[in-house]
Amino acid sequence: AQTVTQSQPEMSVQEAETVTLSCTYDTSESDYYLFWYKQPPSRQMILVIRQEAYKQQNATENRFSVNFQKAAKSFSLKISDSQLGDAAMYFCAYRRYNNDMRFGAGTRLTVKP
Amino acid sequence: AAGVIQSPRHLIKEKRETATLKCYPIPRHDTVYWYQQGPGQDPQFLISFYEKMQSDKGSIPDRFSAQQFSDYHSELNMSSLELGDSALYFCASSSTLGQGENTGELFFGEGSRLTVL
Repeated sequence: AQTVTQSQPEMSVQEAETVTLSCTYDTSESDYYLFWYKQPPSRQMILVIRQEAYKQQNATENRFSVNFQKAAKSFSLKISDSQLGDAAMYFCAYRRYNNDMRFGAGTRLTVKP
Repeated sequence: AAGVIQSPRHLIKEKRETATLKCYPIPRHDTVYWYQQGPGQDPQFLISFYEKMQSDKGSIPDRFSAQQFSDYHSELNMSSLELGDSALYFCASSSTLGQGENTGELFFGEGSRLTVL
């Protein structure tokens, strides 16, 4: 069974606009990590942002922020002031402590100039 | 800062041949993970090692094996290659949670692209 679900295979945003990518996950654990990774055409996995489940405050990294709803098991990524370089595949990922990381199917983001 | 090093970056093999991928984790990282990413797919966990011992196993075919050596580098051996093994193979490393500057993040190498003809 898929632990991480990304329901949006593709998303599109106009340059300088804001876009939100959705992610839900399934777990019975109380302590874990959540991540968003970006994979550009080079296919390198680049960490965008991380969230520790025990922290209630949503993580932010410059133009990237998350909306973490632990009870709802939801972890969405908001990209503000979108740039052409943001175009990539975005993977939501879940990791239990000291275990492997599990990925969602990914969302392909297109940024229109 | 040192990153995860994978070699070779590209590899072309024929069906039924054998391939070996190498991974050099970040210094002082004690855990190595191998992932397989097929075209248009998300990375799938294959196997992991903690302190040179296999720690977890995912969807790794029986034709594949892996090990971690005393210098912490790891090798993924793939035999009787099939067309479906064509993929990008990632190695990632991390330090055990609760130790040092652990952030829960897996640090990924740039991947080894295997093409089976």
